Amino acid sequence: EDKVVQSPLSLVVHEGDTVTLNCSYEVTNFRSLLWYKQEKKAPTFLFMLTSSGIEKKSGRLSSILDKKELFSILNITATQTGDSAIYLCAVGDYKLSFGAGTTVTVRA
Amino acid sequence: DARVTQTPRDKVTEMGQEVTMRCQPILGHNTVFWYRQTMMQGLELLAYFRNRAPLDDSGMPKDRFSAEMPDATLATLKIQPSEPRDSAVYFCASGLSTSGDSYNEQFFGPGTRLTVL
Repeated sequence: EDKVVQSPLSLVVHEGDTVTLNCSYEVTNFRSLLWYKQEKKAPTFLFMLTSSGIEKKSGRLSSILDKKELFSILNITATQTGDSAIYLCAVGDYKLSFGAGTTVTVRA
Repeated sequence: DARVTQTPRDKVTEMGQEVTMRCQPILGHNTVFWYRQTMMQGLELLAYFRNRAPLDDSGMPKDRFSAEMPDATLATLKIQPSEPRDSAVYFCASGLSTSGDSYNEQFFGPGTRLTVL
């Protein structure tokens, strides 16, 4: 059975802090690892990673994949209150298995 | 601004009633996914279509759930009869599969919050 484990389950930081979110996986068919941000409603796409060692960046967010060790990290630097959300990791091919998510709360 | 649309946004119904949720994928996308999200189970894939053909519905309770794509602009998820345990947020997502099993990111709709009393 496919397994995607995210850690920590939740964390609270102050504005300006840096956070690191972890995602480890065991899946039958790996094609990509995706990160999503979910605020009040639908998940919104952040990154798709397919190759090891190549960092994807978007503003203050960055992510990297290690296919040998079967994990990925998502970093958020200089956090802002608008970064408060649930961050979801999903792994697979067309059939994505989602982790339970990490709830990030950024306090002013 | 292309986006996936879903209707209704909220639905409250009584046990035993039929529920139909609709999704309009982003124009040009050829894959459609139905997900269910609950606090206990997180996001679960219910069904997957590519070029309107159902390719995987293994995550869906077959006795009461059905998913169809009558045309390229409409996907439906039906529950008949509904039960309280079906209460959840149902998301539709669409994407573009360019060859074989390859695919790109999935774009999620706003979801339908279903409450079955």
